[in-house]
Amino acid sequence: AQKITQTQPGMFVQEKEAVTLDCTYDTSDQSYGLFWYKQPSSGEMIFLIYQGSYDEQNATEGRYSLNFQKARKSANLVISASQLGDSAMYFCAMSLTGNQFYFGTGTSLTVIP
Amino acid sequence: NAGVTQTPKFQVLKTGQSMTLQCAQDMNHEYMSWYRQDPGMGLRLIHYSVGAGITDQGEVPNGYNVSRSTTEDFPLRLLSAAPSQTSVYFCASRNTGQGVYNEQFFGPGTRLTVL
Repeated sequence: AQKITQTQPGMFVQEKEAVTLDCTYDTSDQSYGLFWYKQPSSGEMIFLIYQGSYDEQNATEGRYSLNFQKARKSANLVISASQLGDSAMYFCAMSLTGNQFYFGTGTSLTVIP
Repeated sequence: NAGVTQTPKFQVLKTGQSMTLQCAQDMNHEYMSWYRQDPGMGLRLIHYSVGAGITDQGEVPNGYNVSRSTTEDFPLRLLSAAPSQTSVYFCASRNTGQGVYNEQFFGPGTRLTVL
């Protein structure tokens, strides 16, 4: 069963605009972590932001914020003021107790000048 | 700090050959893991380890062996390579001090092709 779902295979955004990348997750655990990673064309995986299941406030890291809606089981990534360097694949991931880590299939973001 | 290192970066094997992908980390992380990344599939967990001498299976363990004799090293072995194992392999590590709330740090990846 798919534990992380990213429904947007590709997204386009104008430079300097904000963009939201969707992520929904599936778990019955009470304790879990949600993460976003960026994978540029060079291939490395870059950690962006995380949200703990017990965190009441949405996580923010610079231009990245995580819109966490626990009841809807969604953890969308919001990138504000997009830059050309934001063009990349973005992966949503979830960690569960028992050391399992699940990734979504990714969203390819293209920033248009 | 080198972080997580992987060797080799690229490898071509023939069906039936064996090889070991090397992974090392210098952050004293207890948890280490191996993933494969295939187009349209995201990253899938192959094996992981929570400390020296302790390993466990992930989502797609078949065809791969691991061992963890030291905290720093976590090699992945393909005993008899198959074309279905053509993929990009990532090693990752993380601290386990806060349970599920620690991010993983990834190595640069190994691109493996099995002919």
